[in-house]
Amino acid sequence: GAVVSQHPSRVICKSGTSVKIECRSLDFQATTMFWYRQFPKQSLMLMATSNEGSKATYEQGVEKDKFLINHASLTLSTLTVTSAHPEDSSFYICSAIPTAINEKLFFGSGTQLSVL
Amino acid sequence: GENVEQHPSTLSVQEGDSAVIKCTYSDSASNYFPWYKQELGKGPQLIIDIRSNVGEKKDQRIAVTLNKTAKHFSLHITETQPEDSAVYFCAASTQGGSEKLVFGKGTKLTVNP
Repeated sequence: GAVVSQHPSRVICKSGTSVKIECRSLDFQATTMFWYRQFPKQSLMLMATSNEGSKATYEQGVEKDKFLINHASLTLSTLTVTSAHPEDSSFYICSAIPTAINEKLFFGSGTQLSVL
Repeated sequence: GENVEQHPSTLSVQEGDSAVIKCTYSDSASNYFPWYKQELGKGPQLIIDIRSNVGEKKDQRIAVTLNKTAKHFSLHITETQPEDSAVYFCAASTQGGSEKLVFGKGTKLTVNP
């Protein structure tokens, strides 16, 4: 099956620093990737849609300058949480759609971000 | 926009029993309905999906049914095992997953040995 690798799985950082999370499709190309945020015991909240070679589309209420997304290749999208604060602590998950079949969404394993 | 309601929020069954999770959706244009299983600290894993031109789909102990008229779909797990314990999310999309999936709030399933 399609594999999406997300790294790191867990990161602890100091308030004010920036953190980069990588999402890679290992065995398929993905023109479109998605970034979600998930709070404990809650559903996934879509933050933005990442499109290879173009600007990401952000959901209402998500600060684009806070959450920088770069989708520079067909297998890699990155999310950078800039000037992180404790309220940014959360579980971040990426997902990708194989371009070849353009259906079915596959998720990464998630990144637990803790901002001290 | 699309709204997906999922019930129950928690479900506890004995090993070997069946479990049923139900979802309703609001947008009649939705045509793709996947189910995901999420274990603690991990990303969701696609376990089964169904399209609107099909009423039922089965994969071993897992089945999904879809009622387009009533706009609801259900996940059925038979002969449950402790390793089935997880949070299950239903979702709906209007374009086979290439559009944004709208997720239900999840059901925490506990299978007691």
